[in-house]
Amino acid sequence: EPEVTQTPSHQVTQMGQEVILRCVPISNHLYFYWYRQILGQKVEFLVSFYNNEISEKSEIFDDQFSVERPDGSNFTLKIRSTKLEDSAMYFCASRDHEPYEQYFGPGTRLTVT
Amino acid sequence: AQSVTQLGSHVSVSEGALVLLRCNYSSSVPPYLFWYVQYPNQGLQLLLKYTTGATLVKGINGFEAEFKKSETSFHLTKPSAHMSDAAEYFCAVSDWGNTGKLIFGQGTTLQVKP
Repeated sequence: EPEVTQTPSHQVTQMGQEVILRCVPISNHLYFYWYRQILGQKVEFLVSFYNNEISEKSEIFDDQFSVERPDGSNFTLKIRSTKLEDSAMYFCASRDHEPYEQYFGPGTRLTVT
Repeated sequence: AQSVTQLGSHVSVSEGALVLLRCNYSSSVPPYLFWYVQYPNQGLQLLLKYTTGATLVKGINGFEAEFKKSETSFHLTKPSAHMSDAAEYFCAVSDWGNTGKLIFGQGTTLQVKP
């Protein structure tokens, strides 16, 4: 069964450093998303991506964040200058046009020290 | 704007007992509703979904949920809890009329006691 994959599973970085989180969505899916989950809190939407552009972003997704689909398979989230409060689990998800359920990757745990 | 409220951040049941996890939603459009499960240190797995049609939906692992428009609810149930059901459960509503993003509730941790 096709699945969403994410790398790395765990990333430790120092405050102020740039990180890139990578995702490979399900191959025939058209819509891509990033979510984050701070420890003990709910899953929050960050950004959605469709037709090679951002279709919506949340208040969390400020200028420090960017997304890219550099080729036909990868979908990346970049944080330019990490802060302590960026420490969280980051989930990538994808879906087809219909139905509307999203398929989630296993997540990348980002720890900013 | 859409929102989801899950009543009870922590639910504890005995093995074999009924599981009931509560979810209420707010939506300005007919809602598309989902339940996801998260096992420790894992991602989110879709349990079941409601979009249109039959209001009682069945999912994986013996779970089911009933969409009740009049109560704006989508509670998750399982007749008999198993130890392996211990996990975090998230109810979500889809912003399907826009970008399809999911809006999640706070989550409910299900503990199953032997």
